[in-house]
Amino acid sequence: ETVMTQSPATLSLSPGERGTISCRASQSIGSKLAWYQQKPGQAPRLLVYGASVRATGVPAVFSGSGSGTDFTLTINSLQSEHFAVYYCQQYNDWPLTFGGGTKVEMK
Amino acid sequence: EVQLLDSGGRLVQPGGSLRLSCSASGFQFMNYGMGWVRQAPGKGPEWVSSLSVSGRDTYYADSVKGRFSISRDNSNNTLFLEMKNLRVDDTALYYCAKASSSIHFHFDKWGQGTPVTVSS
Repeated sequence: ETVMTQSPATLSLSPGERGTISCRASQSIGSKLAWYQQKPGQAPRLLVYGASVRATGVPAVFSGSGSGTDFTLTINSLQSEHFAVYYCQQYNDWPLTFGGGTKVEMK
Repeated sequence: EVQLLDSGGRLVQPGGSLRLSCSASGFQFMNYGMGWVRQAPGKGPEWVSSLSVSGRDTYYADSVKGRFSISRDNSNNTLFLEMKNLRVDDTALYYCAKASSSIHFHFDKWGQGTPVTVSS
């Protein structure tokens, strides 16, 4: 099983700041990495797939990078609607696995 | 508009059974992989099961293998999850999710979730 490890668990930032979330895979997954955003009471929303491809309708404030085992989601110029929990997910092999999540909260 | 309507969740006793359904609309259901993802209260998402466009290829998390069965009815655009021998730790909100393609199982659309509570 490919274990996905996210850091940090919590990111405290002010509006307008840049946020960076890391996701590390226990083995190489190529670019088979997706990022999701989840707000309270809502289902996760796909932000990025293929490590760096923004999903339909996702604003350019979100950008993904990385390959192999190390990946990053960057949120440029945080706005109020970006405060949420973010998860990575690998889809390179079975079982599919998610990271533990990073909560982006307002400082 | 793509829509996934999950249903079937309820309170059930340990050892009991349940069948979840997901009615899909707004896309060519038969052309996409599908899956179920659950989320226990206060926890992150946990993948449960997925299946191929035909339904012949099925995949399960170790925690549910042998107890859960995923299937699909392409004629009626419906996804199912049969759950048997339910345990307390199966308690979660269960989401139906659409894969982005027939072969890439990241999920670009999710249902609203149906709650399953396993308790005596």
